[in-house]
Amino acid sequence: NAGVTQTPKFQVLKTGQSMTLQCAQDMNHNSMYWYRQDPGMGLRLIYYSASEGTTDKGEVPNGYNVSRLNKREFSLRLESAAPSQTSVYFCASSERDAQPQHFGDGTRLSIL
Amino acid sequence: RKEVEQDPGPFNVPEGATVAFNCTYSNSASQSFFWYRQDCRKEPKLLMSVYSSGNEDGRFTAQLNRASQYISLLIRDSKLSDSATYLCVVNANYGQNFVFGPGTRLSVLP
Repeated sequence: NAGVTQTPKFQVLKTGQSMTLQCAQDMNHNSMYWYRQDPGMGLRLIYYSASEGTTDKGEVPNGYNVSRLNKREFSLRLESAAPSQTSVYFCASSERDAQPQHFGDGTRLSIL
Repeated sequence: RKEVEQDPGPFNVPEGATVAFNCTYSNSASQSFFWYRQDCRKEPKLLMSVYSSGNEDGRFTAQLNRASQYISLLIRDSKLSDSATYLCVVNANYGQNFVFGPGTRLSVLP
C-alpha cells in the first residue's frame, strides 16, 4: 500500500520554466491537497480538491494551477517558475473534508 | 496575530523526561484539532487527533481547552525516537481551513 506518491522528489528549474508536480493516492480518498513548506512558515495550503471534479484556492494560490484528473490524481502546475516558489511541496489526501490528512514524502523544488 | 501559534523551541530534554507543548489558535469556530510529527526532511505524519474530553495514546496525552483556545501535547518517558518537530493543526470545518502551526522542535538527548 503506497499511500500518497509524489513525483519528482527533487527538481531544479530556471526562472520562467514550467513544470507539473504529480500526486497520486491509492486510499480511495475523496479530498486532496497541495501545500508548500518554507522555513519558519509552517505548511501553507496552495489548492485543494474536496472531491473529484472540484478545486478551490487555498492561502497561497498565485502562480499555481491544479488539475484533479480523477479520484486518484491531483497535479500542481507552475506555469512560469519564480525564485519565490523555491520550496518543499507536499501533496496530501483525506477520506473527506476535515479528516486527518496523509502526506506524500514531498518534492524539493529549487528555482534559480 | 497568527491563526495558530506554537513555541518554536527547541526543547532539549534528557531521555525519560516529561515534556509538554502548547498551541494557541485564534479562530473560535475551529472544530477539529490534531497533532502531527515531522522528522527532519520528511513528511508530516498524524500523531493523534485531539478530542474535547482529552485523549491518551500510550505515552502521549492531548488536551483541548476551547474557552482559552489552546491545545496541548504531553509526552511522558521521552525516547530518543521522539526527537522531531511537532505540528499543531486546527480545522474550522472545511478542507481549506486546515491551518498548520509552525511547529515545535524537540530533541531528546541520551
